Amino acid sequence: DSGVTQTPKHLITATGQRVTLRCSPRSGDLSVYWYQQSLDQGLQFLIQYYNGEERAKGNILERFSAQQFPDLHSELNLSSLELGDSALYFCASSVRGSGGGATDTQYFGPGTRLTVL
Amino acid sequence: AQKVTQAQTEISVVEKEDVTLDCVYETRDTTYYLFWYKQPPSGELVFLIRRNSFDEQNEISGRYSWNFQKSTSSFNFTITASQVVDSAVYFCALGPYNFNKFYFGSGTKLNVKP
Repeated sequence: DSGVTQTPKHLITATGQRVTLRCSPRSGDLSVYWYQQSLDQGLQFLIQYYNGEERAKGNILERFSAQQFPDLHSELNLSSLELGDSALYFCASSVRGSGGGATDTQYFGPGTRLTVL
Repeated sequence: AQKVTQAQTEISVVEKEDVTLDCVYETRDTTYYLFWYKQPPSGELVFLIRRNSFDEQNEISGRYSWNFQKSTSSFNFTITASQVVDSAVYFCALGPYNFNKFYFGSGTKLNVKP
């Protein structure tokens, strides 16, 4: 158990809908990262938040957005869902965001499996 | 450009065999970090090891060992005396210095048969 929690574990929805995925980082970690894992694209970095602020952006679609709250939990919002958005969405956390002269280990949650029908 | 290549898509071995998973990376940075993660059938990603670019010593942890060779930009992972529980997808990742975006390889699926 990495200490990172994600809810829900599974989500089934229809095209055009909007969903929210939730992540709680390990105790003491300030950074949260979101990744998408699909069969054809592999593990793709979406976005990083550090202590409530967006720190890095990857291949995140405009239909997707995220935020990190004062208690450091994070939510990933996916809207106007398409069939191709079906994937496993991971949240990871690390102690720092960047700086400090090191690259921190990212610890991953169990993932949320999203199925868009 | 930052890139990680895991050329072996899938490997099948019989229990107790040794197996090596290859990882080749590309980076122009002189300081960087390399990681291995395991994704068992249950789906979660489990951290295995973190190594920085200045530490080329091989590491052994039980049946697991890692061989880091900067000269060939490789960070290979060997499982000795494989077990069925080792069946999983293994990912190699590159973490550039001072920047927490990871670059993952495409993964190697290891099947260990009894």
